[in-house]
Amino acid sequence: GAVVSQHPSRVICKSGTSVKIECRSLDFQATTMFWYRQFPKQSLMLMATSNEGSKATYEQGVEKDKFLINHASLTLSTLTVTSAHPEDSSFYICSAEQGVGTYGYTFGSGTRLTVV
Amino acid sequence: KNQVEQSPQSLIILEGKNCTLQCNYTVSPFSNLRWYKQDTGRGPVSLTIMTFSENTKSNGRYTATLDADTKQSSLHITASQLSDSASYICVVSCAGNNRKLIWGLGTSLGVNP
Repeated sequence: GAVVSQHPSRVICKSGTSVKIECRSLDFQATTMFWYRQFPKQSLMLMATSNEGSKATYEQGVEKDKFLINHASLTLSTLTVTSAHPEDSSFYICSAEQGVGTYGYTFGSGTRLTVV
Repeated sequence: KNQVEQSPQSLIILEGKNCTLQCNYTVSPFSNLRWYKQDTGRGPVSLTIMTFSENTKSNGRYTATLDADTKQSSLHITASQLSDSASYICVVSCAGNNRKLIWGLGTSLGVNP
């Protein structure tokens, strides 16, 4: 089946530094990938939709300059949290669409970011 | 307003027992309804996906039902196992160009020996 690999699974960084999270589709090409964040005991919140070769579409309230998304190939999207602050600590999850109209979304295993 | 509500919020059952989780939605236009299992600290894993015309779908010990008229869905788990302990999330997809996913808050299921 379709597999999405997300790396790293956990990261601790100092306030003010930047962190990059990678999301790879291992056995299929994903023209569209999605980035979510999830706070404890809450549901996933869509942050942005990443389209290969074009700019990401951000949800209302998500700062595009703080959460930089790059989708340079059909199998890789990256999310960079710039100048991280403790309030950015969260669980970040990516997902990839297996094909338009297939209804299939495969999720990565998530990245636990802790900013100290 | 597009919403997905799940009940109960949490549930504890004994290993081997069955349980049923509920999902009510007010999403329009409707495309499909999904159930996901999310283990703590992991990404969601798809259990079932149902379109408007489907009213039941099974995946092993998981059986989902959909009543598009009343906008209700259920997820039935048979002969529960300890590994079933997780959050179960109901997600409804909007039809149309945005294909937006509307997420429920999930039901936290604990299976005890």
